[in-house]
Amino acid sequence: AQSVTQPDIHITVSEGASLELRCNYSYGATPYLFWYVQSPGQGLQLLLKYFSGDTLVQGIKGFEAEFKRSQSSFNLRKPSVHWSDAAEYFCAGPGGSQGNLIFGKGTKLSVKP
Amino acid sequence: EPEVTQTPSHQVTQMGQEVILRCVPISNHLYFYWYRQILGQKVEFLVSFYNNEISEKSEIFDDQFSVERPDGSNFTLKIRSTKLEDSAMYFCASARDYTPDTQYFGPGTRLTVL
Repeated sequence: AQSVTQPDIHITVSEGASLELRCNYSYGATPYLFWYVQSPGQGLQLLLKYFSGDTLVQGIKGFEAEFKRSQSSFNLRKPSVHWSDAAEYFCAGPGGSQGNLIFGKGTKLSVKP
Repeated sequence: EPEVTQTPSHQVTQMGQEVILRCVPISNHLYFYWYRQILGQKVEFLVSFYNNEISEKSEIFDDQFSVERPDGSNFTLKIRSTKLEDSAMYFCASARDYTPDTQYFGPGTRLTVL
């Protein structure tokens, strides 16, 4: 079955440290994949997306993600985390024939000063 | 930059009451979606809508739910008789095309059923 998995429920990093949030997918073909961020009480903001081509994708707010077919992964990275990055991050992929998305359970990021 | 808007931001209702959640998608988009997120859980797909009809729906989207695009701009989700378990954040999304394309999400409506 198609699925997107985020194995880490909660991650805490120090401000200025690097960050990697994991996402694994299970699809028969190469899927298009997204990362969204949700700040407390807010909606979902698109950080970046992968459709095809270059496997290293740049997004907003200094985030990037790398699509690795061999590992069925699409991990989100940031070289230096800022306190404002504290939020919940969702990986998403295709869920049906009409474009609906399925989401991972999310990873909550906390940032220590 | 165009954005999806949703009203109200927070709706409180009594169990058994009908609620209508409203969304204004991005104007040149053709595909519309509703998702919900129960507190502390992941975002779940409810329904997709294209060409004035439901194109796909999940198991969650039972007979208590309906969607409508009444006037070419608004996109509504109606829950006929709310239950406690309908309490959630409801997100509307829209896209120009169904795949592969980016869905843009509204800020959500928090529905609280008492």
